[in-house]
Amino acid sequence: QKEVEQDPGPLSVPEGAIVSLNCTYSNSAFQYFMWYRQYSRKGPELLMYTYSSGNKEDGRFTAQVDKSSKYISLFIRDSQPSDSATYLCAMSKGNNRLAFGKGNQVVVIP
Amino acid sequence: DADVTQTPRNRITKTGKRIMLECSQTKGHDRMYWYRQDPGLGLRLIYYSFDVKDINKGEISDGYSVSRQAQAKFSLSLESAIPNQTALYFCATSDLPSTGTSTDTQYFGPGTRLTVL
Repeated sequence: QKEVEQDPGPLSVPEGAIVSLNCTYSNSAFQYFMWYRQYSRKGPELLMYTYSSGNKEDGRFTAQVDKSSKYISLFIRDSQPSDSATYLCAMSKGNNRLAFGKGNQVVVIP
Repeated sequence: DADVTQTPRNRITKTGKRIMLECSQTKGHDRMYWYRQDPGLGLRLIYYSFDVKDINKGEISDGYSVSRQAQAKFSLSLESAIPNQTALYFCATSDLPSTGTSTDTQYFGPGTRLTVL
C-alpha cells in the first residue's frame, strides 16, 4: 500500500461548480498536509497548507484534514477556467521529506 | 526573476549519452531536491541534499548521480541515459525547519523535459 493514495482520474466540471478532491494516507505520523497546483508545462506551486487536523480557507479554496480517518480534502468553490490544472496532495512528518499523491487533472469548462 | 531555475528546459538525447541537468536557486534555502514526474506515477524523489556536504538517495536513485556545487546549485547527472529515464524532472528547495513553525513547504522549478531515444 502506497503511503498516499489519490485517485488520478481526470475531473471535468462546468464553470461555477464545486470541485472536490481528496487523498487518503496510511502513515499516522504525517503532521503537515499540502495541496499543490500544477499548470501544464509548469512546476507544482503550493496552494494550501494545513498543520494537523482541521479546516483552512483561502478565498475560494478550502482544505480539510481528518487525521482520525487519514483523509484530506480540497474544495474549490465557484470554479473558474483558470482553475484548470493538476492538483497534487502532499504530506510529511516535518522532516522535509514529502510524500505526494499522483495528482488529479481538473478541467473547468466555460 | 524566478527563484528556482532549471537548465535546460527541454533536452532530447540518445541512449548511452551522459546528461547533466542543472538547478539554481536564489531563495537562500539549504535544502534541495530532485524529482522525476511520470504520467500515472506522480512525483518521485531521486536525490536530496540538506546542505552542501549532505547528499542522500531518494526512492529511485539508480542510474542517477548528483553534485551540490554550492548552497545555490544542485546538479543531476544521468551517466548513461536509457529510454525509461524519459520524464519531466523537477528541482525543488525548502528552508530549514524551525521549531514550531516548519511548514515543510517545497518550492519547485519549472522542470526539464528529457527525452531519451
